Amino acid sequence: QVQLQESGPGLVKPSETLSLTCTVSGGSMTSSYWSWIRQPAGKGLEWIGRIYPSGSTNYSPSLKDRVTMSLDTSRNQFSLSLTSVTAADTATYYCAKVDYHDIRHAFDVWGQGTMVTVSS
Amino acid sequence: QAGLTQPPSVSKGLRQTATLTCTGNSYDVGHQGAAWLQQHQGHPPKLLSYRNNDRPSGISERFSASRSGNTASLTITGLQPEDEADYYCSAWDTSLTAWVFGGGTKLTVL
Repeated sequence: QVQLQESGPGLVKPSETLSLTCTVSGGSMTSSYWSWIRQPAGKGLEWIGRIYPSGSTNYSPSLKDRVTMSLDTSRNQFSLSLTSVTAADTATYYCAKVDYHDIRHAFDVWGQGTMVTVSS
Repeated sequence: QAGLTQPPSVSKGLRQTATLTCTGNSYDVGHQGAAWLQQHQGHPPKLLSYRNNDRPSGISERFSASRSGNTASLTITGLQPEDEADYYCSAWDTSLTAWVFGGGTKLTVL
């Protein structure tokens, strides 16, 4: 059973770059694509982007100018970089996977989430 | 960014049936359906139903999903106290090339 674990700083200063890593355990990264999703406190879910094992990416239209995702299959990790952060980027950040071979296509495994606060 | 429309809240009595709705368009829900997620306070979301309405292993038969046109529905029968949670729908939007979520429905079991 695949498990995901987010890691990274819990506090980031405004205008700086938020960097998070998701570590994948219990399975291979090759048959899934990997997403970041965030949730401000008390609000709904927002998809940030996805990355395939090939390195191909898609990003949310509203965030694409500030987002970069990468992955390292040898370390079973993928990462998120969000530049020029503001208080509006304060949220719990989740990593999640979709098995792209499965036509039923859904976020079937989620990390526990990591809370990131943007504040000086 | 376009999103899916869910009622903010639904309240039903113990052992009753609740039906939650999720409305999108022909590019998202109407294209390949919606998946449903359950989130309890302080926990990550949990998949309840795939886009084709299949349930993942371990999900109770009390949860069933369906779709009619651009609207997806999640029906929960025999409501239990533990069903009190936030429920989100999600779909791939082929026009945005992005996943979209509904705003979530808070289900209260009275």
